[in-house]
Amino acid sequence: AQKVTQAQTEISVVEKEDVTLDCVYETRDTTYYLFWYKQPPSGELVFLIRRNSFDEQNEISGRYSWNFQKSTSSFNFTITASQVVDSAVYFCALSEASGGSNYKLTFGKGTLLTVNP
Amino acid sequence: SAVISQKPSRDICQRGTSLTIQCQVDSQVTMMFWYRQQPGQSLTLIATANQGSEATYESGFVIDKFPISRPNLTFSTLTVSNMSPEDSSIYLCSVERNYGYTFGSGTRLTVV
Repeated sequence: AQKVTQAQTEISVVEKEDVTLDCVYETRDTTYYLFWYKQPPSGELVFLIRRNSFDEQNEISGRYSWNFQKSTSSFNFTITASQVVDSAVYFCALSEASGGSNYKLTFGKGTLLTVNP
Repeated sequence: SAVISQKPSRDICQRGTSLTIQCQVDSQVTMMFWYRQQPGQSLTLIATANQGSEATYESGFVIDKFPISRPNLTFSTLTVSNMSPEDSSIYLCSVERNYGYTFGSGTRLTVV
């Protein structure tokens, strides 16, 4: 069975600090996809990134970067020079590609990030 | 990626009543998913809806409480039946295409 763990329930930082959100996953599949979503107070889910299990290259998009390490089953997310607008709940999610789980997404419990001015 | 129109965006309902939530997708998709997000919690999958077949429900969710329709490849509804305050949540639909998942804007339901 697939599982996603986000051990950090809440993180509070001051603007311009760097912050890393942790995500650890469990799966029996060799082919799977990992995701990060942002949920601002308005409630919609904003897609941030998708990574497949065969691509371990780190990715950078502006102030956002992701570190995927299969050896530790982790897919951590770093925000550099955080801004107040980054305040949101961030979810890590996993989808197995075998189809046995019906391609459903399994979400972690989320990390509430508060960036203070 | 697909664009999803979900409605209503929010509603306040009396206990014992039912609410039907609609999701319209701008293109044909095989699978649609319905999630529930209880206050302060993560998203939990309620069921997967494929066109032309019965929805597949996750453990803890039953068809009598959450009936789902999937009449074609671009539309689905979720009904929350015989509501109680414990059903107060955000309900979201989602579609999958090539392992990319798009979500509707959500329906914020309050049961009083």
